This record gives sequence, structure tokens and C-alpha cells, in this order.
Amino acid sequence: GIQVEQSPPDLILQEGANSTLRCNFSDSVNNLQWFHQNPWGQLINLFYIPSGTKQNGRLSATTVATERYSLLYISSSQTTDSGVYFCAVDDSGSARQLTFGSGTQLTVLP
Amino acid sequence: EAGVTQSPTHLIKTRGQQATLRCSPISGHTSVYWYQQALGLGLQFLLWYDEGEERNRGNFPPRFSGRQFPNYSSELNVNALELEDSALYLCASSLVRLAGGPGEQYFGPGTRLTVT
Repeated sequence: GIQVEQSPPDLILQEGANSTLRCNFSDSVNNLQWFHQNPWGQLINLFYIPSGTKQNGRLSATTVATERYSLLYISSSQTTDSGVYFCAVDDSGSARQLTFGSGTQLTVLP
Repeated sequence: EAGVTQSPTHLIKTRGQQATLRCSPISGHTSVYWYQQALGLGLQFLLWYDEGEERNRGNFPPRFSGRQFPNYSSELNVNALELEDSALYLCASSLVRLAGGPGEQYFGPGTRLTVT
């Protein structure tokens, strides 16, 4: 099956700093989503981005499908950005299962 | 618009018992997915239901089963519970795209199952 690798596994920032999280995948994908998992375990949708670039406030994402990677940018980080960020992909239009990376644990210090 | 809802929030069971978890999708969504997040194992796909049928299954034993009802809500049943079944179980729903591609999945808050 498809492999999804996220880096870095852990990231510690001061409030106000910018960061880039990376997601590499081993095969072409039909779906790529970025999530933020809050302390209670719920996955919050950030982006649905199988290709191209999207922006939502301080967050933006870019997926280069031909090179099999996606980047999540967080600018002017806030303490509330802390948590685990997951990248998930679906490589088969008929199977419809998301394969998750192992996540990036982000800690933003005040 | 209400999001995906799951019940119960927490569930404590004894090894060997059965657990039933419930999920209601976003209104208009016909596909429901179940995922398991166990400590140290990450998020793993369990089951996909669409239009009342099981469409895909992850690498889990048959004691993990479920169903989807005519109103598109879903149940996940775990029989003969084992200690390693302790995990957060997440349900997601999506809209079936007319073009056939996978739609964006939206997740519920999860059910935390503890097996003692």
C-alpha cells in the first residue's frame, strides 16, 4: 500500500514564529487532506488539497502531486496551534480509505 | 449544519465482552468510515460503508464488524474484546462525488474505548 511520511516528527516554536510541515507519499493520490488533532482527539479539517495551493488565514498548503509531496505552512504561530498535525492520502478512487502519516507534534511556547 | 456525531464519548468494557459504537454522518453524506487510533499504532482504516453496503475493509479481524442503516448512520461492533482493542475510534463521513473521485472526509469527536 501507499506509504506516507511526515517530517519533522516534533517541532517546538516560540509564539509568532513560522513553520513548514512536510508530507511525502509514495504513489499518486486522488485525495490529500491535512488535519489538526485537538487535545480531545478530534480531527479538525484544515485542507483538502490533492494538488495546487490553498490558503486559510495564517495557514496555507501546497501539494505538488507530480513530485509526491505536500507542505503545510503555519505563519505567526499561536499557542492554540499546538497539537498533532496529520497528513492523510487516498491513493485509490474505488477503495476510499485514508492512509495517515505518523503526524507532526507541534508545540508553540508563549 | 451539524457535524459528524458519535456516541458514547467513553466506553469501558471487560475483556471478552462486546462493544457497540454509533455514528451519525453529516446530513446529505452517504459514506461512513471507521478508523482506529491506538497508542503507538497511529490512525488505521477499519471500514467503509456506502448506501448500506460494506465497500472496503482494513486489516482487522472479523470480530470488527458494522452496518449502515437506511438513514446512513452506522454502528461499529467489536466482539470478544481484547485489551489491545483499547483505542480512540473515529468515524468520518463524506459526500459521494458525481465524478467518482473521493470526497473530503469529515471526522466526529470519537469514542474512547477502554478494555480492562
